[in-house]
Amino acid sequence: SQTIHQWPATLVQPVGSPLSLECTVEGTSNPNLYWYRQAAGRGLQLLFYSVGIGQISSEVPQNLSASRPQDRQFILSSKKLLLSDSGFYLCAWTMTGLLDGYTFGSGTRLTVV
Amino acid sequence: TQLLEQSPQFLSIQEGENLTVYCNSSSVFSSLQWYRQEPGEGPVLLVTVVTGGEVKKLKRLTFQFGDARKDSSLHITAAQPGDTGLYLCAGLKTSYDKVIFGPGTSLSVIP
Repeated sequence: SQTIHQWPATLVQPVGSPLSLECTVEGTSNPNLYWYRQAAGRGLQLLFYSVGIGQISSEVPQNLSASRPQDRQFILSSKKLLLSDSGFYLCAWTMTGLLDGYTFGSGTRLTVV
Repeated sequence: TQLLEQSPQFLSIQEGENLTVYCNSSSVFSSLQWYRQEPGEGPVLLVTVVTGGEVKKLKRLTFQFGDARKDSSLHITAAQPGDTGLYLCAGLKTSYDKVIFGPGTSLSVIP
């Protein structure tokens, strides 16, 4: 069966520090991978998506970047965090079509102080 | 801009009551999904509706897709504390398009 792992679960970082969040998928190959951010108790904002190794599409201009160094690995990074980067970050995967819905990871709660 | 609105924003009810939450848009979607998210977790897909007027039932949950494919509703019968969570609707223009999420309805079922 397919599983998605996301870590760390919580993170407190000072303003100006770097960030690296990792997401890996098991049990499937060539998934579409996504990074979402969610403000407290609210809807999801798509940040990046990837349809293959090295292929990254950005949805929102911001302080963040994403990379896909391996087929089932998706990384969200920042060189210098801002207070506004605080939020709940979710990784998700799906196969080619979206009708089967996303499978989300358990998320990372990032607090920038 | 494609927007999905959800109402109510917050809902607190007693165990055993019935409730309906709504998802509305001015845009037409080819399909619509409902997710439930528990605190500190990622959303989990409940259902996908693809046909205008379609009704799907999942135990005590009934989902309906509007005839014009611009709106959807979720009805819960005899709510239980385990139904507590954030209910998100998500619209798809095509099966290969990106998903547009609504802001969610936060449901609290009090024992």
